[in-house]
Amino acid sequence: GENVEQHPSTLSVQEGDSAVIKCTYSDSASNYFPWYKQELGKGSQLIIDIRSNVGEKKDQRIAVTLNKTAKHFSLHITETQPEDSAVYFCAATSPNQAGTALIFGKGTTLSVSS
Amino acid sequence: DAGVTQSPTHLIKTRGQQVTLRCSPKSGHDTVSWYQQALGQGPQFIFQYYEEEERQRGNFPDRFSGHQFPNYSSELNVNALLLGDSALYLCASSLALSEAFFGQGTRLTVV
Repeated sequence: GENVEQHPSTLSVQEGDSAVIKCTYSDSASNYFPWYKQELGKGSQLIIDIRSNVGEKKDQRIAVTLNKTAKHFSLHITETQPEDSAVYFCAATSPNQAGTALIFGKGTTLSVSS
Repeated sequence: DAGVTQSPTHLIKTRGQQVTLRCSPKSGHDTVSWYQQALGQGPQFIFQYYEEEERQRGNFPDRFSGHQFPNYSSELNVNALLLGDSALYLCASSLALSEAFFGQGTRLTVV
């Protein structure tokens, strides 16, 4: 089955710096890769996702890149702000009629200091 | 739109007891998935319900069972609780094969 590795486990940056979180996956059939931001008391929020027919997707300060050949994808946050501090999870899945189970990485705790 | 709502938010149970967790999906969503998140780990897929049937299941024992109602809400039942079942239980809803939206979770503590 699918296995997702996520690095680093913790990341500390100064406000205004960029942050990059990387994930690798094992199942070449996976074709959908979401990123979730988890904050205490706020649950897990989908912040961006990418499908395997696209190499890059951007939404304001957040971007995701996908390298299907190498089977890895990355989250890029530019101009970080203290409110970006949270735990970030990457996930992979291959949605089909059998289901849409997400396989998650172990998470990255991002701390943005002002 | 209330989003995905879960109840209760916190729960304490004794080993050997049974527990039922509840989830109401986001309006318009027909698929509900359950995940278990241990402290410091990523969520692990338990099972998914669609059209009141279990469509997909992760690597969890039969002590974990679920149900989906005609209004798409869902329950997760865990029998014979073990200390290792202590975790945050997350419900996610989606429409068909689209993106999943998560609730805030139920924190279960087994003592």
